[in-house]
Amino acid sequence: GAGVSQSPRYKVAKRGQDVALRCDPISGHVSLFWYQQALGQGPEFLTYFQNEAQLDKSGLPSDRFFAERPEGSVSTLKIQRTQQEDSAVYLCASSLASGGRSIFGPGTRLTVL
Amino acid sequence: KQEVTQIPAALSVPEGENLVLNCSFTDSAIYNLQWFRQDPGKGLTSLLLIQSSQREQTSGRLNASLDKSSGRSTLYIAASQPGDSATYLCADHTGNQFYFGTGTSLTVIP
Repeated sequence: GAGVSQSPRYKVAKRGQDVALRCDPISGHVSLFWYQQALGQGPEFLTYFQNEAQLDKSGLPSDRFFAERPEGSVSTLKIQRTQQEDSAVYLCASSLASGGRSIFGPGTRLTVL
Repeated sequence: KQEVTQIPAALSVPEGENLVLNCSFTDSAIYNLQWFRQDPGKGLTSLLLIQSSQREQTSGRLNASLDKSSGRSTLYIAASQPGDSATYLCADHTGNQFYFGTGTSLTVIP
């Protein structure tokens, strides 16, 4: 596609609900990153995929967070039993190769009530 | 852990002025450094990418420099315009991830 797309753009969840956030990277991009951006802060790294392999998940804040990219293209970030502190914008980025220019999606704004 | 700092946190300038945004990082073992622009409620737009072996990159009115030895990068914006108003973030690529600063919020006053 022309760019990285994310869906939904906005998600409101009640505390305790599970949510799934989708990222469609640019076709052919090997690397895919997920970031969490709290209000007024810079993005914080969550996890990194190279093709379908999750090479780094050191940024996932708890075991309630899970990410997958089973076919090396679309990725899903799942948050189980959402908490209020999970409220943030979740950004996905892809790049042609590790170390290349990263293209970011518009993000999903998650609000947990 | 890599620490990235951006100063100033906010900057307001009259239209037409040249300006410099600063970014510093603690670990010089970076692959590259990118400057991004973020408009309110939007994602990040990559402006310039400087590989670790490079000293600077230019695109139009933007020029970014990189000094790995001192752990610093600057983004120079020439002849600023109201449309340049946004938050500017620097991020360095170390290991498997990008480390972001908290950004500089720029307002260009017509």
